[in-house]
Amino acid sequence: DIQMTQSPSSVSASVGDRVTITCRASRPISKALAWYQQRPGTAPKLILYFASKLDSGVPSRFSGSGSGTDYTLIISGLQPEDFGTYYCQHYFTTPRTFGQGTKVEIK
Amino acid sequence: QVQLQQWGAGLLKPSDTLSLTCAIYGGSFSGYFWGWIRQPPGEGLEWIGDINRRGSTNYKSSLRSRLSISIDMSKNQFSLRLTSVTAADTGVYFCVRAGYGDGAFDIWGQGTMVTASS
Repeated sequence: DIQMTQSPSSVSASVGDRVTITCRASRPISKALAWYQQRPGTAPKLILYFASKLDSGVPSRFSGSGSGTDYTLIISGLQPEDFGTYYCQHYFTTPRTFGQGTKVEIK
Repeated sequence: QVQLQQWGAGLLKPSDTLSLTCAIYGGSFSGYFWGWIRQPPGEGLEWIGDINRRGSTNYKSSLRSRLSISIDMSKNQFSLRLTSVTAADTGVYFCVRAGYGDGAFDIWGQGTMVTASS
């Protein structure tokens, strides 16, 4: 199975800050990577797929990059509604595994 | 706009069978994988398995002996069945659509909390 390792596990930032979350796969996944935001008590929401493609309706302050084993999610200009836990997930093969999550808190 | 609506029993005893159903509204099975993801209380997300319109399935290997995912195209529904549940199966279960690349989940059900307890 491909393991996904996210860092940091949590981050506290102010409105307007740039937030960077990284995700490393245990072997190359050819950009078959998605990012999700989950607010407490709700279902996760897809933000990015194929590492850098924004899902419909997602604000452009979210961006993604990476290749091979290393991927990054950037929130440029953090907004109050961006709080929650962010997960990366590969879909290169089955099983589709998720990272352990990064909790984003607003200072 | 495609929506998923899920339902099923929320309180089970150890050794019971977990059964959940997910209905697809505003879309059809064609061209996508449809699956299930669960989340234990306070923990992260775990992919369980998925199925396409032809009935081709992928299952998490540790669950394969207890797991079955099926589709009913006449009702536009797909279902999850997990036998012999234990406390380790407790969590919120989500049905999902893999809208991109057979594995990026763009549509989610509302989630069903399932508790296995004596």
